[in-house]
Amino acid sequence: DAGVTQSPTHLIKTRGQQVTLRCSPKSGHDTVSWYQQALGQGPQFIFQYYEEEERQRGNFPDRFSGHQFPNYSSELNVNALLLGDSALYLCASSLGATTNSPLHFGNGTRLTVT
Amino acid sequence: AQKVTQAQTEISVVEKEDVTLDCVYETRDTTYYLFWYKQPPSGELVFLIRRNSFDEQNEISGRYSWNFQKSTSSFNFTITASQVVDSAVYFCALSEAGGSYIPTFGRGTSLIVHP
Repeated sequence: DAGVTQSPTHLIKTRGQQVTLRCSPKSGHDTVSWYQQALGQGPQFIFQYYEEEERQRGNFPDRFSGHQFPNYSSELNVNALLLGDSALYLCASSLGATTNSPLHFGNGTRLTVT
Repeated sequence: AQKVTQAQTEISVVEKEDVTLDCVYETRDTTYYLFWYKQPPSGELVFLIRRNSFDEQNEISGRYSWNFQKSTSSFNFTITASQVVDSAVYFCALSEAGGSYIPTFGRGTSLIVHP
């Protein structure tokens, strides 16, 4: 039973560039949420995708966008990268949007912006 | 105002000691859920427990136990006879009916267990 997988593991980008992170949810899950975790901080909610639509969004600028595919996998795109975007980006999957089911997290993508 | 406060940034103990991680939350919802997650160095957050606001029963799972007290808005986590493998960052999280059940995480407590 495959868990949540994220790629790539690490990424180094330059300010102003664009980046795409990928996530495959746990088998049987249909909802994907993305979180940003800065060093020494708790995860901050970016957005949630369900049925290929963005259902909920946290306090993040429009530079952060996403997509969910018919197979429930998801992408997180960040445009015009800033130094402050350096963080661990976590993908979490669950069953059903607006439920209280526990989130299952991937190992994350460590993004460094120089 | 922070909805989930984990006042302990880092706790250091010696193996076999008991340790309690504090979590204080803030909500106006009557329906909400509380969670604890463990984040080892690998980065993946691992779900440990979920409690709903209508169930204040304490829970024990092996060396882990949780104390939920609505009167003090706290959901504390105790590890009995700690082991080196317990070393990780532990996060408390709150999800509210009014927030579409999107979890809000605290800043985490780093637990270091020395052999």
